[in-house]
Amino acid sequence: EIVLTQSPGTLYLSPGERATLSCRASQSVSSSHFAWYRQKPGQAPRLLIYAASNRASGIPDRFSGSGSGTDFILTISRLEPEDFAVYYCQQYGSSPRTFGQGTKLQIK
Amino acid sequence: QVQLVQSGAAVERPGASVRVSCKTSGYSFTSYYVHWVRQAPGQGLEWLGWINPNTGGTTFAQKFQGRVTMTRDTSTDTAYMELNRLSFDDTSVYYCARERGLITARSPPEPFDYWGQGTLVTVSS
Repeated sequence: EIVLTQSPGTLYLSPGERATLSCRASQSVSSSHFAWYRQKPGQAPRLLIYAASNRASGIPDRFSGSGSGTDFILTISRLEPEDFAVYYCQQYGSSPRTFGQGTKLQIK
Repeated sequence: QVQLVQSGAAVERPGASVRVSCKTSGYSFTSYYVHWVRQAPGQGLEWLGWINPNTGGTTFAQKFQGRVTMTRDTSTDTAYMELNRLSFDDTSVYYCARERGLITARSPPEPFDYWGQGTLVTVSS
């Protein structure tokens, strides 16, 4: 099983600032099979990025993804109020499909 | 528009079973895999498995092998997940989710692009 470890656990930033979230895999993951989700309180997760760097439908361009192998990054260029939520990374190339434990983005 | 609407909250005793439904609309039900993911209170996301609505074929996470069943009804475009021998640790919100790509003979794995609203299953004595 591929274990995904996200850092930091909690990130404190202000609206308008830039956020950088990391996800490290226990073994190499194809960049074609790596995604990021955002989950707001009381809601289901929403797909943001797939194939490591492709924005999902309707996702604004302030979200970008990068990385390969075992290290992946989600960058939010200018934080909006709705971005303060929990973010999960996921690998979907091997079974079981696994998620990171999440990074909580909180208002400073 | 694509929608996945799940059944309501359930409270079950330890040792019992629970079945959660996921009614889909707005797309061809048999053309996309449906996955099930759960989230314990205040915790992260855990994948249970998927069903191919066209063939009924399933794949489960090893952790749930022998305890989970996934079925579908193509006449109502609904997927079902049943979890048996419930324990307190099974208390979670259970989500169904659609896998993004069309099912084909060589379809590569894709992420989950549409999700149900979630169903809270509480295991309590």
